[in-house]
Amino acid sequence: GEDVEQSLFLSVREGDSSVINCTYTDSSSTYLYWYKQEPGAGLQLLTYIFSNMDMKQDQRLTVLLNKKDKHLSLRIADTQTGDSAIYFCAEDYGQNFVFGPGTRLSVLP
Amino acid sequence: SAVISQKPSRDICQRGTSLTIQCQVDSQVTMMFWYRQQPGQSLTLIATANQGSEATYESGFVIDKFPISRPNLTFSTLTVSNMSPEDSSIYLCSVERGSTYGYTFGSGTRLTVV
Repeated sequence: GEDVEQSLFLSVREGDSSVINCTYTDSSSTYLYWYKQEPGAGLQLLTYIFSNMDMKQDQRLTVLLNKKDKHLSLRIADTQTGDSAIYFCAEDYGQNFVFGPGTRLSVLP
Repeated sequence: SAVISQKPSRDICQRGTSLTIQCQVDSQVTMMFWYRQQPGQSLTLIATANQGSEATYESGFVIDKFPISRPNLTFSTLTVSNMSPEDSSIYLCSVERGSTYGYTFGSGTRLTVV
C-alpha cells in the first residue's frame, strides 16, 4: 500500500539550516504537505506543493520535490529554537491522506 | 509500518443527522487523537482519547457535538452529531507509537453535509 517515510530524529545547531527529508510511494499525488506539531498542539500546515512543481519558497522555508525519485524535502534556513517541533510530510492523492511518522527536530543552542 | 483502518473513507450526509467514524489500530496504544481539516485550513485537534477515561476536548469542541468512545486500546470512534454544512471536513485519527515509530494517521474520512 501507500507509504510515506521520514527519519524520526534530526538535531541541528541554532542558526544552521535544517533539511527534513521524506519519501513516498504513490506517484499519483496531487498535493504534498508539510505540517508542524509543537508540544501540546495540533498539526499546523506550514506549506504545500503541487505535484507539478519542483520547488516552492516561502520566507525561511524551501520545499523541493523530486517526482522521479519520489522525494520531498523541507529546508528551514537559520533554524531557531522555536523551530523545535515534529514535522510531518503528507500526500493527498484524492483518495486518501497518507502521513509520514514525523521527524522530531531538536535545535541546539 | 503501523496500520490504522479508518472508516468510512467518505460520506455524504443530510443536515441534522449524525455520522460515526471508526478507527482500528493494529496494536495497543494509550492515546488516540482526532483531528479535523476544514477546506483550506490546517488540521485542528478535536480531542485526545484515552482508554478508560473521558476524552479531553480542545477549545471550541464539545462532547455533545463530537462524542468519542474508546472502549479498548485498539479502537475509537468519533461521532459528528446533528450535522450542518459547516461540519463538511476531513476527519483523521492518529496515534503515537512511541519515539521509535513516530505517529501514524488514518487515511481520513471526507465528510460532506448537504
